[in-house]
Amino acid sequence: DGGITQSPKYLFRKEGQNVTLSCEQNLNHDAMYWYRQDPGQGLRLIYYSQIVNDFQKGDIAEGYSVSREKKESFPLTVTSAQKNPTAFYLCASSPGLQETQYFGPGTRLLVL
Amino acid sequence: AQSVTQLDSQVPVFEEAPVELRCNYSSSVSVYLFWYVQYPNQGLQLLLKYLSGSTLVKGINGFEAEFNKSQTSFHLRKPSVHISDTAEYFCAVIPHSGGGADGLTFGKGTHLIIQP
Repeated sequence: DGGITQSPKYLFRKEGQNVTLSCEQNLNHDAMYWYRQDPGQGLRLIYYSQIVNDFQKGDIAEGYSVSREKKESFPLTVTSAQKNPTAFYLCASSPGLQETQYFGPGTRLLVL
Repeated sequence: AQSVTQLDSQVPVFEEAPVELRCNYSSSVSVYLFWYVQYPNQGLQLLLKYLSGSTLVKGINGFEAEFNKSQTSFHLRKPSVHISDTAEYFCAVIPHSGGGADGLTFGKGTHLIIQP
């Protein structure tokens, strides 16, 4: 049963804390993406990775970091430098860049 | 750079009535076009896509969309909606290879509200 999983479903962050959102895919896709969704704003690209051990900043990368050590995994860390982290975070993957993207179920991050 | 405009933030429709959700885009290069649906607190599900060929594309759940290059539009339609179609709908584009952008550019979404 192929797909994209994200965990946790809900995540709470304290002031000054770094938190990591998990994204795993078993679709054998090379490209993976992280988007941030705010109400009424659509989705905005945070980071993307075309291939293992390579990743690039998207439109709103400040305050975030990623790694791509394995093809199936693309974790996102929300650092303390991100001053407004409350949002719904969506991970996606595609066979390659400029190809159809498939999305995970999302993680909602809330600040305590 | 690309931009996507969804002209209506909310569209209320009675059940079994037809609906059209409007999407216009701007791009200096050719693009692929997509419609996604999002149910509350869930990820995005692909409804349909236009890559090439026939400008009328059919998707899941009885939806279809027509690509109009001259009007740079990709409007989504359904002839008869159901309560279960209540959701947020997103139009998105991505440039063809070499277009410079590497993620989808999304519109701000249209909330389709089905009234019984």
